[in-house]
Amino acid sequence: RKEVEQDPGPFNVPEGATVAFNCTYSNSASQSFFWYRQDCRKEPKLLMSVYSSGNEDGRFTAQLNRASQYISLLIRDSKLSDSATYLCVVNEPLGSSASKIIFGSGTRLSIRP
Amino acid sequence: EAGVTQSPTHLIKTRGQQATLRCSPISGHTSVYWYQQALGLGLQFLLWYDEGEERNRGNFPPRFSGRQFPNYSSELNVNALELEDSALYLCASSLYVVLGQGDQPQHFGDGTRLSIL
Repeated sequence: RKEVEQDPGPFNVPEGATVAFNCTYSNSASQSFFWYRQDCRKEPKLLMSVYSSGNEDGRFTAQLNRASQYISLLIRDSKLSDSATYLCVVNEPLGSSASKIIFGSGTRLSIRP
Repeated sequence: EAGVTQSPTHLIKTRGQQATLRCSPISGHTSVYWYQQALGLGLQFLLWYDEGEERNRGNFPPRFSGRQFPNYSSELNVNALELEDSALYLCASSLYVVLGQGDQPQHFGDGTRLSIL
């Protein structure tokens, strides 16, 4: 099983739709979680951190389900500008005092007019 | 506030040569990370530096190396370049890391596109 798995998509949804995608992780001791977005041929940009209690930033909602070991990203009222690849990032512990960060391979989202 | 800056933007080399890529982190950030993103593939972690020391290393051969300077800027060196080293190399920085590598969100530079002919 991959350490971090995402559905590669592409998800093709109409403008204004609500879209959600998940990211599963294999190590139950993972501590920190983030969503990044990456536009074509650009660098990843931090979208939001994911907190245990779930968090919202405008049209974006991130949730963490520790029992099932996944994080989710929900985008409401999607805009054309939301078209991008969304990367899930998980911080996995390495022993007692170190950790490593793992990027998912990304979910491609395309919003159509 | 200036973001992470990388240079050069593009670098063209031939097989067997050596490449040096540079990164300046956001002011106040002490951790610098290097990633490789080959065309159509995900981000692959290369190296993590914090306070001048290498903290973690990805699954890459020893010809990939780097260092972090006292001002927290960093260099990535790739020796004996091979065709499959052609990729976008991204540098990211973060605030002081408390628990481990991924404790703080990372902010990325625009990347250096390395092409091996």
